[in-house]
Amino acid sequence: GENVEQHPSTLSVQEGDSAVIKCTYSDSASNYFPWYKQELGKRPQLIIDIRSNVGEKKDQRIAVTLNKTAKHFSLHITETQPEDSAVYFCAAAGKLTFGQGTILTVHP
Amino acid sequence: DGGITQSPKYLFRKEGQNVTLSCEQNLNHDAMYWYRQDPGQGLRLIYYSQIVNDFQKGDIAEGYSVSREKKESFPLTVTSAQKNPTAFYLCASSIPQAGVNEQFFGPGTRLTVL
Repeated sequence: GENVEQHPSTLSVQEGDSAVIKCTYSDSASNYFPWYKQELGKRPQLIIDIRSNVGEKKDQRIAVTLNKTAKHFSLHITETQPEDSAVYFCAAAGKLTFGQGTILTVHP
Repeated sequence: DGGITQSPKYLFRKEGQNVTLSCEQNLNHDAMYWYRQDPGQGLRLIYYSQIVNDFQKGDIAEGYSVSREKKESFPLTVTSAQKNPTAFYLCASSIPQAGVNEQFFGPGTRLTVL
């Protein structure tokens, strides 16, 4: 089955800085890679996703890049704000396999 | 996200008791899923169902059971055989499309074993 590794487990940045979270996957057949944001005590919500036929996708301050050859994909958040503080999960494949999560803290 | 509901929000159980968590969706999604979330860990798949009257074990199915008698409902029973059931349980649904599987999550049930 699919195996997804996510790094770092915690990330602390100053407001306005950029944040990058990286994930690797094992199944070369995986073709869908979503990112979810989960605020404390709440449900995960999809923030951006990318399909395997695309190398990069942007949505305002959020971007995701995919390297199929290396089997890794990354989430980039620019101009971070305190409300970006949450746990972020990557996932891969059709029956989604999730990474372990990254706790992002943005300090004002 | 408003189309998936879970109840109750908090649940307390004594050791040795079975308990059932409810998950209902009105999104007309074919597929439904149950995940377990523990502190510092990602979401681990317990069971999933791609169609009514059919379901498959996920990565951590031992001590859990499910049913899928209706498209809208996918209840999860945590049995006394589950050795460490205290966790946050999330239900999700999706319409799998050619490998794309955007999942919509319910608000979760926090189960505590006393």
